[in-house]
Amino acid sequence: DIQMTQSPSFLSASVGDRVTINCKASQNINRYLNWYQQKLGEAPKLLIYNANSLQTGIPSRFSGSGSGTDFTLTISSLQPEDVATYFCLQHNSWPRTFGGGTKLELK
Amino acid sequence: EVQLVETGGGLVQPGKSLKLTCATSGFTFSTAWMHWVRQSPEKRLEWIARIKDKSNNYATDYVESVKGRFTISRDDSKSSVYLQMNSLKEEDTATYYCTAGSLYWGQGVMVTVSS
Repeated sequence: DIQMTQSPSFLSASVGDRVTINCKASQNINRYLNWYQQKLGEAPKLLIYNANSLQTGIPSRFSGSGSGTDFTLTISSLQPEDVATYFCLQHNSWPRTFGGGTKLELK
Repeated sequence: EVQLVETGGGLVQPGKSLKLTCATSGFTFSTAWMHWVRQSPEKRLEWIARIKDKSNNYATDYVESVKGRFTISRDDSKSSVYLQMNSLKEEDTATYYCTAGSLYWGQGVMVTVSS
């Protein structure tokens, strides 16, 4: 199985900050990487698919980059409503595997 | 409006069975690949099963941890997908989500396996 290593596990930032979350795959997954946001008590919500494509309805302050084994989710200007846990998911091969998550809090 | 609603969760003893149902509406179910994903109490996510559409012969795949114990199935006439869970273990305790093509998700249903 492909292992997804996500960092950091916890992140504290202020409103307006630029935030980056990283995900590293144990082998080449091309661009088959999604990013999800999960708020407390809710299901995961798709933000970015195929590494850099913004899902419809998601604010443009969210962006994704990377290919191969190294990927990044960037929030250009953190908003209070962005407090959540973020997960990466590889869908290059079965079984699909998630990163361990990044819990984002406001400073 | 897209809706996915999971039902059938609850408290069950180890070794017993449970069947989850995910009823959907608002999208073309018959051509969607449907999946089950679970989230442990520690918030770890695990993609556990998928079933492809008719054009792909309803092929199924399972993660190793549930292979031989869980069965995913679908009924296109009811726009529903199912997860039959047998020989349940305490480590199967989780919130179970159904998802359509990674985009649409249900609200989740809790399964607790405990004596």
